[in-house]
Amino acid sequence: EVQLEQSGAEVKQSGESLKISCKGTENIFGSHWVAWVRQRPGEGLEWMGIIYPGDSETKYSPSFQGHVTISADKSITTAYLQWHSLQASDTAIYYCARTSGNSWQDQVDLWGQGTPVTVSS
Amino acid sequence: FILTQPHSVSGTPGETVTISCSRSSGYIASTYVQWYQQRPGAAPTTVIYEDTQRPSGVPDRFSGSIDISSNSASLTISGLRTEDEADYYCQSYDTTLWVFGGGTRLTVL
Repeated sequence: EVQLEQSGAEVKQSGESLKISCKGTENIFGSHWVAWVRQRPGEGLEWMGIIYPGDSETKYSPSFQGHVTISADKSITTAYLQWHSLQASDTAIYYCARTSGNSWQDQVDLWGQGTPVTVSS
Repeated sequence: FILTQPHSVSGTPGETVTISCSRSSGYIASTYVQWYQQRPGAAPTTVIYEDTQRPSGVPDRFSGSIDISSNSASLTISGLRTEDEADYYCQSYDTTLWVFGGGTRLTVL
């Protein structure tokens, strides 16, 4: 069964850096985009941005541009979400999600299990 | 634009419930709408894509539609079951980004 496997829970201090990952089993990135979605405790889903691992084209939500970096290594079918300086407000669960095709507007056909990130001040 | 959903809806087993998703500006039919189900403590899953399509494995009790006159999309769940209790999110696209609705908590009484 093809899956997106995300890295484990993280506990960090405010100001620290962090990079979490989303790895596809088998070669499931191919011609697909990978999005990152934030969910703060008790709140809804927020789209952060999306990357095409094939050429690393990336789109960011204005709300997250400049605060996070999305990257990918297609050779190991892994996408990443990175912070250089975490804030307490970054405490959330972060999900990766793969689109079904090669358009960033294609529907999601796979979700990762989520990575909880806790940032203490 | 923003997508507005009711905070909560409820129904009893066997009933039919509908969750609305109103688009504030631009045409609802201009970009596809997806619907996601998120059970407590779990990752989201896709229940409707491209306005009306069901992924394989999603029961036909789930259906999606759009209404041009009200500029909104809807998710309808018929034959309500206790396992349908979850949060539901609509999602569509702006020029260069995805837009999520605020989510609707479905309670099965």
